[in-house]
Amino acid sequence: AQTVTQSQPEMSVQEAETVTLSCTYDTSESDYYLFWYKQPPSRQMILVIRQEAYKQQNATENRFSVNFQKAAKSFSLKISDSQLGDAAMYFCAYRRRGGSQGNLIFGKGTKLSVKP
Amino acid sequence: DAGITQSPRHKVTETGTPVTLRCHQTENHRYMYWYRQDPGHGLRLIHYSYGVKDTDKGEVSDGYSVSRSKTEDFLLTLESATSSQTSVYFCAISPRTRETQYFGPGTRLLVL
Repeated sequence: AQTVTQSQPEMSVQEAETVTLSCTYDTSESDYYLFWYKQPPSRQMILVIRQEAYKQQNATENRFSVNFQKAAKSFSLKISDSQLGDAAMYFCAYRRRGGSQGNLIFGKGTKLSVKP
Repeated sequence: DAGITQSPRHKVTETGTPVTLRCHQTENHRYMYWYRQDPGHGLRLIHYSYGVKDTDKGEVSDGYSVSRSKTEDFLLTLESATSSQTSVYFCAISPRTRETQYFGPGTRLLVL
């Protein structure tokens, strides 16, 4: 069974600085997707970034980028120029490619605080 | 933003009563999912649907049933609510299994 581990329950960053959130996963599949979702206090789950395992290039979305290390099964999220609005829970998630289910496997989350 | 609504948004009920949560989408997506979110567990799949009247169980399906009679609606029923079902429930949709899932706003359920 696939598992996703986020080893940092809480992280803190100073406004305008950079922070990296860690995620590791376990799977025997070779083709899959990885995601980072953000959950602010409103509880809405917001997609931050998506990575396809067959693509070697790391995904980037504005201030958010990932470091995808397939062999190490590592998928970290880097937030540059942190803003107060980045404070939220961040969830790493995995989904295998193909199959009929397509559900996401989530980590337990990292709570990010941003200090002014 | 994907057109997904959930109702009710908050509900308080008593142990042993039936509860139905509704997920409604306007995107005409084929796949719909129900997850629950609990502290220390992240989100876990309860049931999912891959078409009208086509549903299957997820990781934590005990005590829950679902129905999908129309593409746009996916209902989650707790036949006899228990305190262990106190949670936040999220609906998600996607057009295909390889596509990104988009989430509804969540329903906070408290079972006393």
